[in-house]
Amino acid sequence: QKEVEQNSGPLSVPEGAIASLNCTYSDRVSQSFFWYRQYSGKSPELIMSIYSNGDKEDGRFTAQLNKASQYVSLLIRDSQPSDSATYLCAAPSGSARQLTFGSGTQLTVLP
Amino acid sequence: DGGITQSPKYLFRKEGQNVTLSCEQNLNHDAMYWYRQDPGQGLRLIYYSQIVNDFQKGDIAEGYSVSREKKESFPLTVTSAQKNPTAFYLCAAGDLGGDLQYFGPGTRLTVT
Repeated sequence: QKEVEQNSGPLSVPEGAIASLNCTYSDRVSQSFFWYRQYSGKSPELIMSIYSNGDKEDGRFTAQLNKASQYVSLLIRDSQPSDSATYLCAAPSGSARQLTFGSGTQLTVLP
Repeated sequence: DGGITQSPKYLFRKEGQNVTLSCEQNLNHDAMYWYRQDPGQGLRLIYYSQIVNDFQKGDIAEGYSVSREKKESFPLTVTSAQKNPTAFYLCAAGDLGGDLQYFGPGTRLTVT
């Protein structure tokens, strides 16, 4: 059973701080990873994808992938109250482009 | 939400009734997916389809059925055999050349 594990949180950070969200996965052959943001009552929105070891930056977001440790993280710099949401980590599984999702980490950014 | 629409946004049904959730996409993606999300949990795959007239069961297909008669459409029927149908249902679409999936706005189904 391929799994994606996340700290369920909740995680609270003050406005302007760095929020760090973590995810581990069990399938060593996974080549790509995705972070989705889900506001309460809404559908998931893709915010980051990462395919190779190292860091990928997009604005205030940085995804970090360590394939040897089977670990992927998302850093949110200068956190804003509008970043308050649940963040879902996902990795492909199977041959039909299926995604396995973690249970999500709820982030609250305090003004 | 991109070019994926789901209707209705909210749906209320009595226990024992079948109900069909609509999902339409204009992204020209080959693959479409149905997920279920329960409060405080991640997404679980119900069914997926890679091409027209073909679909496969996901992890929790029991009590559900789908069809894929057109590339743009992938309706989900929640049957009376589904024991706990109340949930948030999400449709997604993706290009078979990659792993990205994009989600529709979802349908919140309540069965009483």
